[in-house]
Parts: sequence; C-alpha cells; structure tokens
Amino acid sequence: ELKVEQNPLFLSMQEGKNYTIYCNYSTTSDRLYWYRQDPGKSLESLFVLLSNGAVKQEGRLMASLDTKARLSTLHITAAVHDLSATYFCAVDLGAGKSTFGDGTTLTVKP
Amino acid sequence: GAGVSQTPSNKVTEKGKYVELRCDPISGHTALYWYRQSLGQGPEFLIYFQGTGAADDSGLPNDRFFAVRPEGSVSTLKIQRTERGDSAVYLCASSPKGVSSYNEQFFGPGTRLTVL
Repeated sequence: ELKVEQNPLFLSMQEGKNYTIYCNYSTTSDRLYWYRQDPGKSLESLFVLLSNGAVKQEGRLMASLDTKARLSTLHITAAVHDLSATYFCAVDLGAGKSTFGDGTTLTVKP
Repeated sequence: GAGVSQTPSNKVTEKGKYVELRCDPISGHTALYWYRQSLGQGPEFLIYFQGTGAADDSGLPNDRFFAVRPEGSVSTLKIQRTERGDSAVYLCASSPKGVSSYNEQFFGPGTRLTVL
C-alpha cells in the first residue's frame, strides 16, 4: 500500500524565517503535486513536478522532487503571515490516480 | 472562467437516508475525480472518470457509494443508507488531460456532509 508521509504535520514559525516541509512516499513515481488549502476552503494547485530533479519556484515557495529518494521538499523563504495554510503533497500513481499526504499546517506568527 | 462548482455546499441528513452530491467540472475537462476529506487528513481518492466512464472506482468504500457522469460533464455522487461515518467533506476535482498526461487537478469548494 502506498504511503505518503509529510513532516512536520504542524509547523509554527516566525515571519522572516526559513523552513522546509518534507514529503516522503513509498512507491515509484516521477510526478508529484503540491497544493495549498486555507481553512474552510478547497485545494489550490501550487506546483506540478514532473521529473527527477524538477524544481519550481513561486514567490517565497520553492518545490523540488528527487524521485530516486522518493522525496519532495517545499521550502519556505522569509515566511510571511499570508503563507499560513495547510500544504498537501500528492503522488501521481498514473492512470489518473493520486494519493495525498495528511498535510502540513503552517502558522506564521509576527 | 468558471471553476469547479459543487452543490450543495452543506448537507445535513439523518442516518439511513439517501443523498446526492453534484459536481460541475470546468468546461472541457475530460477527467473528473471525487475525494473524501475527513478533518485533519488529506483527500482520500474515491473514483475517477475519464469521459463518461468510471476509469477507477477502487476508492469507493462499499456498495452504498455510487457515482455517475452520464454525459461526460456533470457528475453525481450517490450515497445510500448513510451512516455517521460518512460525515466528511466531499471534494470534486477536474483535469484537462487524459490518462497519458500529468494529473494537475482543479478542485471545487466541496460539499460538507453531516450524517446525524
């Protein structure tokens, strides 16, 4: 059974600090997605990573994928309050199916 | 353009009742997905449609759950004899690509189902 593990599950950080969220998965896949979910809202697509070594950046967030290590990271640079949300990684299993991690809830404090 | 829409946004029902949840995907998207999200967890895959047919329904928890997409656009998730454990947010997503391409999904706002 595929396992997708995110850590940490909860992260409280101060504005201006840097941190990395990790997403480990237990099966072979070369496609992975990151989503953001605000409280009471639906999921918003952040990054699509389609190959080993892929790196994508948008503002203060940068995502990378190492398919050999079965690891993706979401790096936060100089956090701001607006980044407070829950972040999910999802591993593409092919044939239309993705498995999500349980999410990392990020709280950025002034 | 319009995103994925779901109705109703909230549904409260009694144990044993039948419910239907509707999803209207982004126009032109061929792939449609249903997920269930419980509090504090990630979305759990239920079923995936490619066009009108269910390409993968391996996530449906039991035969009380059924979904259709008769014209390849709107989809309805049907739950019979609801149980309290069915309470969750049901998310629908659509994707513009077929199986051969990557699977970035666009999510609707969800239907919060509460079974009393």
